[in-house]
Amino acid sequence: QGQLVESGGDVVQPGGSLRLSCVSSGFNFRGFAMHWVRQAPGKGLEWVADIWFDGSKKYYADSVKGRFTISRDNLKDTLYLQMNRLRAEDTGFYYCAREARWQQLEFDFWGQGTLVAVSS
Amino acid sequence: QSVLTQPPSASGTPGQRVAISCSGSSSNVGNNAVNWYQQFPGTAPKLLIYNNDQRPAGVSDRFSGSKSGTSASLAISGLQSEDEADYYCAAWDDSMRGMFGGGTKLTVL
Repeated sequence: QGQLVESGGDVVQPGGSLRLSCVSSGFNFRGFAMHWVRQAPGKGLEWVADIWFDGSKKYYADSVKGRFTISRDNLKDTLYLQMNRLRAEDTGFYYCAREARWQQLEFDFWGQGTLVAVSS
Repeated sequence: QSVLTQPPSASGTPGQRVAISCSGSSSNVGNNAVNWYQQFPGTAPKLLIYNNDQRPAGVSDRFSGSKSGTSASLAISGLQSEDEADYYCAAWDDSMRGMFGGGTKLTVL
C-alpha cells in the first residue's frame, strides 16, 4: 500500500512564498503522474496542478498559473509545490494525490493534507 | 464557480436510494472518464467510483456510477447513516486542466 505525506504548510503574509512537499512511500513514485488539490475552509475541492511521471509536462489551474510551480524529484520520491505571491484566497488544505490512470483525475492515493493560511 | 455542476445537497432516509447528478460539457464529462470521491469532515477524499462506473476494491456495491453524454450520476442504494458525507465528481478537461464539481452534502434523515 502506498502512502503520501505532505508538509510545509504554515501561516504566511499576503505576497509571501511557501514550498510544500509530499513524500511518497510504498509504491513506484516515478511511474505515476502526481497532482495537487486544495480545499478552502468549508469549501469544495479545487484542482491546482499536475506533473507527468517524468516531470516533462506540467499543467496548472488558471487561479495559480504564473504564481505556483509544481516539480518532483524522482530520486527522493518527493513532489513539491512552490507557491509565490500568495493571496488570501490561497488559504486552505493542500493535498497531494497519485493519479492511477494518466490524465483521468483518478486519484487512488491521497495525502492527509497540509494547511496553508495566508493572512496579515 | 465549478465547471462541473452538482446539487449542493441531497438527502434520504435509511434504506432509500439516492442519486447525485454531475453535469459538464463535451470537453470534460462528455469526452473523459468521470470519477467520484467521498469525503468525511476533517479527512482526505477517498476514491469511490472511477472510470464512470467502476468500484475500487473495498467499496460497497451499494455505490454505483453511470454516465450518459455530458452528465454523470452517483447512486447510493440502501442508504445508511455512515454514508452521510460530501460527494464530488471529477473529470479531466481537454483544455488540460482538472475539474471538480462543487460537491454535494448528503444528509441521512
